[in-house]
Amino acid sequence: QQQVKQSPQSLIVQKGGISIINCAYENTAFDYFPWYQQFPGKGPALLIAIRPDVSEKKEGRFTISFNKSAKQFSLHIMDSQPGDSATYFCAASISNYQLIWGAGTKLIIKP
Amino acid sequence: NAGVTQTPKFRVLKTGQSMTLLCAQDMNHEYMYWYRQDPGMGLRLIHYSVGEGTTAKGEVPDGYNVSRLKKQNFLLGLESAAPSQTSVYFCASSPDNRGRTQYFGPGTRLTVL
Repeated sequence: QQQVKQSPQSLIVQKGGISIINCAYENTAFDYFPWYQQFPGKGPALLIAIRPDVSEKKEGRFTISFNKSAKQFSLHIMDSQPGDSATYFCAASISNYQLIWGAGTKLIIKP
Repeated sequence: NAGVTQTPKFRVLKTGQSMTLLCAQDMNHEYMYWYRQDPGMGLRLIHYSVGEGTTAKGEVPDGYNVSRLKKQNFLLGLESAAPSQTSVYFCASSPDNRGRTQYFGPGTRLTVL
């Protein structure tokens, strides 16, 4: 019940296309859902986050869609660029100082 | 601000050797974390600390020890390295007590032969 399931494991998208990464959870006590972006050889960095009382949050080309009833949330990258090639992690927060992490999605944007 | 720094960046050990990984942060964060990252496994929490002098076990603590003697430093020790500990290790710190926003270091790539 503490898991966050992330899919797909890897994704290849053409430049200019829309990249979509999905996450699902079971524990309804989760109350904060961040996405982290990790470039090769670097540590992850917070990209965008959402709370469950909001259905969508947009920051530039990055949008989180949140479906509370389905217990799913997704990251959409519009007009995907080669510079977006990275590993993306979804996560969920509960009250014990920790984040519960998804397994990660390796995104490759082809020029 | 340097943010979160980790030393060393790379290390090769032989089975049974010991080593300490150092994490330092200059953001005055209370909460610090050690993760390991393996292909297809995501980030797995080894140990974490909610303040100077306090540590707690995460998801995969076996074979590791930690210490937080100073607020800005969090040390990860391997007493007797095993090949299964070959991984990339990341340290992170957080200013909030839910660990929601975590700032990561650049990682240490450890190989145990």
